[in-house]
Amino acid sequence: AQKITQTQPGMFVQEKEAVTLDCTYDTSDPSYGLFWYKQPSSGEMIFLIYQGSYDQQNATEGRYSLNFQKARKSANLVISASQLGDSAMYFCAMREYQAGTALIFGKGTTLSVSS
Amino acid sequence: DSGVTQTPKHLITATGQRVTLRCSPRSGDLSVYWYQQSLDQGLQFLIQYYNGEERAKGNILERFSAQQFPDLHSELNLSSLELGDSALYFCASSPATTGLDGYTFGSGTRLTVV
Repeated sequence: AQKITQTQPGMFVQEKEAVTLDCTYDTSDPSYGLFWYKQPSSGEMIFLIYQGSYDQQNATEGRYSLNFQKARKSANLVISASQLGDSAMYFCAMREYQAGTALIFGKGTTLSVSS
Repeated sequence: DSGVTQTPKHLITATGQRVTLRCSPRSGDLSVYWYQQSLDQGLQFLIQYYNGEERAKGNILERFSAQQFPDLHSELNLSSLELGDSALYFCASSPATTGLDGYTFGSGTRLTVV
């Protein structure tokens, strides 16, 4: 079974609009972390935001926020005021702490921002 | 610069050959992880080392091996290369094996097998 599911292969948004990238996860581990990474066309993996399973509030980092719905096992990334430089592949990932697993990635969503 | 250094950045080699990819983790990080990113398989976890010892194995082929040295740098050895091994290989590091820490990734080594 897929541990991390990203159902949107591609998303298109105009500059200055907000966009939500979907991510659902599957785990029975009570202690886990959820991560989002950005991979521009140059290839590097850039860490964006982190949410712990015990965190009461949704994580925010500048224009990035994570809409964490624990009961639904979803961890959607919200990018506000999109910029052309946001065009990239975005990966949702999870780490299970009790199980001690390494970071597991979804298949990714390609975001294209147009002017 | 993420602090994780991977060399070489690009590598082109023939089928059947053997190559070594090198990774220096971020200063102070004890864990090193290797990932393979290909178009059809996405980002696949290969193997993890912590302070010189193997800690976890993922989808790593028997033709592949890795080690972490006393200075904490790591090498991924790929042998009997096949066309399907062409991929972007990432190294990542983190301070510890567990805990609420994320990974810092290197810029990757793009391997092309011809």
